[in-house]
Amino acid sequence: DQQVKQNSPSLSVQEGRISILNCDYTNSMFDYFLWYKKYPAEGPTFLISISSIKDKNEDGRFTVFLNKSAKHLSLHIVPSQPGDSAVYFCAATLDNNDMRFGAGTRLTVKP
Amino acid sequence: NAGVTQTPKFRVLKTGQSMTLLCAQDMNHEYMYWYRQDPGMGLRLIHYSVGEGTTAKGEVPDGYNVSRLKKQNFLLGLESAAPSQTSVYFCASSPWEEQFFGPGTRLTVL
Repeated sequence: DQQVKQNSPSLSVQEGRISILNCDYTNSMFDYFLWYKKYPAEGPTFLISISSIKDKNEDGRFTVFLNKSAKHLSLHIVPSQPGDSAVYFCAATLDNNDMRFGAGTRLTVKP
Repeated sequence: NAGVTQTPKFRVLKTGQSMTLLCAQDMNHEYMYWYRQDPGMGLRLIHYSVGEGTTAKGEVPDGYNVSRLKKQNFLLGLESAAPSQTSVYFCASSPWEEQFFGPGTRLTVL
């Protein structure tokens, strides 16, 4: 039972354009959401997070949007850069002890 | 500051063999976790610890045991390895919500 789903295994965008990565979840009790970025042969690194009491959080080129009624969150990267090419994981947690991850979306930013 | 380190980086086992994966963190974090990553599955939590001397089961604990005798170390044991345990294993530590991951251990069970 996958409670966090990333339905797009891959996404390709042109450098300078917007990248939008999507994530859906099924458990309405999740109260904290995170995005992680992963390069090959490395562990995931934290990118940005959002609490369930907010609907938007911004950090530089990265913005996460949360739509609780739709159980959907998205990560926007503007402008996209070739160094952003990586696998992005969406994660959700009830408390810090049980974090559920999506399967990941591979982003390719073309120069 | 090394962050989170994992030993070994790669390992090949035969079915039925045992091994221990070591995770160490130097950030004085209370929480530590073991995940496995399989193609198309994302990361799944195996076991976790909320402090020295404590452990708890995660989403996929069967076939694994853990110990946290020291705050900075979290060990993952496979008593009798099976081919289904072929995976990439990630350790993480956390002060609260954001988790810091190690580089991973690629384990193959033949």
